[in-house]
Amino acid sequence: GDSVTQMEGPVTLSEEAFLTINCTYTATGYPSLFWYVQYPGEGLQLLLKATKADDKGSNKGFEATYRKETTSFHLEKGSVQVSDSAVYFCALKSEGQNFVFGPGTRLSVLP
Amino acid sequence: DAGVTQSPTHLIKTRGQQVTLRCSPKSGHDTVSWYQQALGQGPQFIFQYYEEEERQRGNFPDRFSGHQFPNYSSELNVNALLLGDSALYLCASSLQDRELSPLHFGNGTRLTVT
Repeated sequence: GDSVTQMEGPVTLSEEAFLTINCTYTATGYPSLFWYVQYPGEGLQLLLKATKADDKGSNKGFEATYRKETTSFHLEKGSVQVSDSAVYFCALKSEGQNFVFGPGTRLSVLP
Repeated sequence: DAGVTQSPTHLIKTRGQQVTLRCSPKSGHDTVSWYQQALGQGPQFIFQYYEEEERQRGNFPDRFSGHQFPNYSSELNVNALLLGDSALYLCASSLQDRELSPLHFGNGTRLTVT
């Protein structure tokens, strides 16, 4: 079945550092890919998405590019802020199927 | 625009008891999905409801059941609770006729089984 693998956390960075969170997936078809973010005490919020190969999703300074050849969707941000501290989930959705989430990566940004 | 609301926010039950969790979807959404999120893990799909019927189901036992009402709100019922059922239960709503409709999540119900 479909699955998502993410880099293990926690990831701890200083403010204004560059962020990369790796995500790779396994799927039988051509899924859509998503990044969700979960702040403490809250549910998941959609951060960005990409629906086909080479698409780049972006939002709030975060970016991720759908790489079909490497089955990856790595999340990047050029300069993180303390307010970016949260748990980040990579997810995929194949046609007719439900969403499949990765285990999450906790990011802590220190001032 | 009301988002997804879940109740209660926290719940403590004893092993063997039954529990009912409630969810109201985002305004305009017609599909409700339930997820279980164990501590430190990603959400695991339980089932999805649309037009008051269970449409898809994940790898969860029959102790987990649900219902959707004509106003699109939904309930998740868990019978014969086990310690391992302790988790954050998330409700998410979406639009059925939009294949790539992203999920909108509530803040969850934290269930503790003692």
